[in-house]
Amino acid sequence: GAVVSQHPSRVICKSGTSVKIECRSLDFQATTMFWYRQFPKKSLMLMATSNEGSKATYEQGVEKDKFLINHASLTLSTLTVTSAHPEDSSFYICSAFRSGTEAFFGQGTRLTVV
Amino acid sequence: AQSVTQPDIHITVSEGASLELRCNYSYGATPYLFWYVQSPGQGLQLLLKYFSGDTLVQGIKGFEAEFKRSQSSFNLRKPSVHWSDAAEYFCAVGPPSGGSYIPTFGRGTSLIVHP
Repeated sequence: GAVVSQHPSRVICKSGTSVKIECRSLDFQATTMFWYRQFPKKSLMLMATSNEGSKATYEQGVEKDKFLINHASLTLSTLTVTSAHPEDSSFYICSAFRSGTEAFFGQGTRLTVV
Repeated sequence: AQSVTQPDIHITVSEGASLELRCNYSYGATPYLFWYVQSPGQGLQLLLKYFSGDTLVQGIKGFEAEFKRSQSSFNLRKPSVHWSDAAEYFCAVGPPSGGSYIPTFGRGTSLIVHP
């Protein structure tokens, strides 16, 4: 089946620094990718929809200047958490959608801001 | 807008017992329906999906789900639970739109398996 690779799986950063998370579709071209945030014991909250070659669409309440999304190719989307703060600590999951099938999920990134 | 309700936050079963996880959705037409499983600290793995056709869907790991339009439900079942099934289970709905969708997830049901 299709594979989506997310990197890194875990990252610890200092408050005020930026962190980049990569989401790659390994064996298919993903026209659309989604970024989710998951709080402990909570469901996945959609942050933004990333479309190749165009600007991401952010959900209400998500700061686009804080969570920068770039979808430069059909196999790669990146999420950059800028000027990270402890409250940004969370589990971030990407998914890549291949037209005509379901969305495939990465293994997630645990971000801890200290 | 579509929504998904998973009424049970936790379900506890004994190993070998049968399992049913409930999922109700709200959507004006027939949506795409999914069940995902998440192990601690991991991403989501698709168990099964319903797009159309036979309302009883077979998935991986011995799971099945039945789409009941009259009840707007898509409950997940397994006849005999294994200890390795302990995980978080998410039901999701995705309205078809031009061949793609944005899935909306339920809040999840945590499955606890007693030996």
